[in-house]
Amino acid sequence: SYELTQPPSVSVPPGQTARITCSGDALPNKYAYWYQQKPGQAPVLVIYKDSERPSGIPERFSGSSSGTTVTLTISGVQAEDEADYYCQSADSSGTWVFGGGTKLTVL
Amino acid sequence: EVQLLESGGGLVQPGGSLRLSCAASGFTFTTYAMTWVRQAPGKGLEWVSGISGSGGSTYYADSVKGRFTISRDNSKNTLYLQMNSLRAEDTAIYYCAKADESGVGGSLDPWGQGTLVTVSS
Repeated sequence: SYELTQPPSVSVPPGQTARITCSGDALPNKYAYWYQQKPGQAPVLVIYKDSERPSGIPERFSGSSSGTTVTLTISGVQAEDEADYYCQSADSSGTWVFGGGTKLTVL
Repeated sequence: EVQLLESGGGLVQPGGSLRLSCAASGFTFTTYAMTWVRQAPGKGLEWVSGISGSGGSTYYADSVKGRFTISRDNSKNTLYLQMNSLRAEDTAIYYCAKADESGVGGSLDPWGQGTLVTVSS
């Protein structure tokens, strides 16, 4: 089955830039999406179609794509950004698939 | 404002059944595919099932195929997940989520608050 691979954890000091990667063989041909999940809360969409930001999401969140890897970048990380982040895309049958998630720690 | 409200979770014995519901409001329900995504305690997100806006097409993860059935009642703006032959590994918070205009495989936004299903004797 198709898999999206994320690092289990990323740590950055406040004010620095966090980069979370997601790798998958089909990513050159499929859009990627990113979700933020804080403890006890439902996931929230923060990036869609690789690099688009929904309304209400701070400008410090951005997305990019290069080959089989997509990257979520959080510039000027704040304490409130500490959360789990999940990438999502579609598999060969077009249905949804999630990465394993990355825990972002703001040191 | 788009809202999704799940219900129907609870404690069930292995081999038992449960039906989850997701009441939707704030958008034209028939226009959008809908999904169920679950999260086992302390684990990541796992896509479970999806259904097209008309209900004519359904999709399942291999882990639930043959045991779970997704459906929708567009007259009631409600999504369902019938879960049969439940196993301990089905224990999770179950979220319903609205797909974007691209349909199956696209972004999911928003998500409901989730309903907890516990399978245990």
